[in-house]
Amino acid sequence: DTAVSQTPKYLVTQMGNDKSIKCEQNLGHDTMYWYKQDSKKFLKIMFSYNNKELIINETVPNRFSPKSPDKAHLNLHINSLELGDSAVYFCASSQDRAAGGNEQYFGPGTRLTVT
Amino acid sequence: GQQLNQSPQSMFIQEGEDVSMNCTSSSIFNTWLWYKQDPGEGPVLLIALYKAGELTSNGRLTAQFGITRKDSFLNISASIPSDVGIYFCAGQLRIFGNEKLTFGTGTRLTIIP
Repeated sequence: DTAVSQTPKYLVTQMGNDKSIKCEQNLGHDTMYWYKQDSKKFLKIMFSYNNKELIINETVPNRFSPKSPDKAHLNLHINSLELGDSAVYFCASSQDRAAGGNEQYFGPGTRLTVT
Repeated sequence: GQQLNQSPQSMFIQEGEDVSMNCTSSSIFNTWLWYKQDPGEGPVLLIALYKAGELTSNGRLTAQFGITRKDSFLNISASIPSDVGIYFCAGQLRIFGNEKLTFGTGTRLTIIP
């Protein structure tokens, strides 16, 4: 069973279009994240939701809008796509714990190419 | 945003060799995680560390949480072909409501036949 799944795996689109990426986790976790990995493989947090509530919003253009219909799903909608949005987008999830750290589990990624 | 310095950037080794890599930060963390990423896949969690000085093993992998809380180390013993990939450290300063991971720049491991 896939723990964190994303669709689509690949997304090729033209500048100016609007697109969405979907993420689902079946781990029963409370918190979900979106990360962006650039061409140099650097991973950077974009957003985090805990029980459908936005808790982290890094400096991301407001063309990016996350939506969490329930705690098992976190979707990412991108408006007016730009060339610089080309990257691999990873969804992740973790279980909130009172003590200790929280281990984040990643999906397989969505490779977005904007032409 | 902050990046963690990971070294070396890349390693070329022969099968059977031991590997060491480390990660340093300018600020402290209370959790260190090590991930491996294969081409076309998402990062997979290898080891999690929660206490300064902690040494944890997972098979041939051993990681340590530095005593200053600003660094961490990963060792791989007797490397095998499936160890090829990019290894990332990630630090976390756990404050309620902020669980973000700050990732290192990655160490790319290649095994020379």
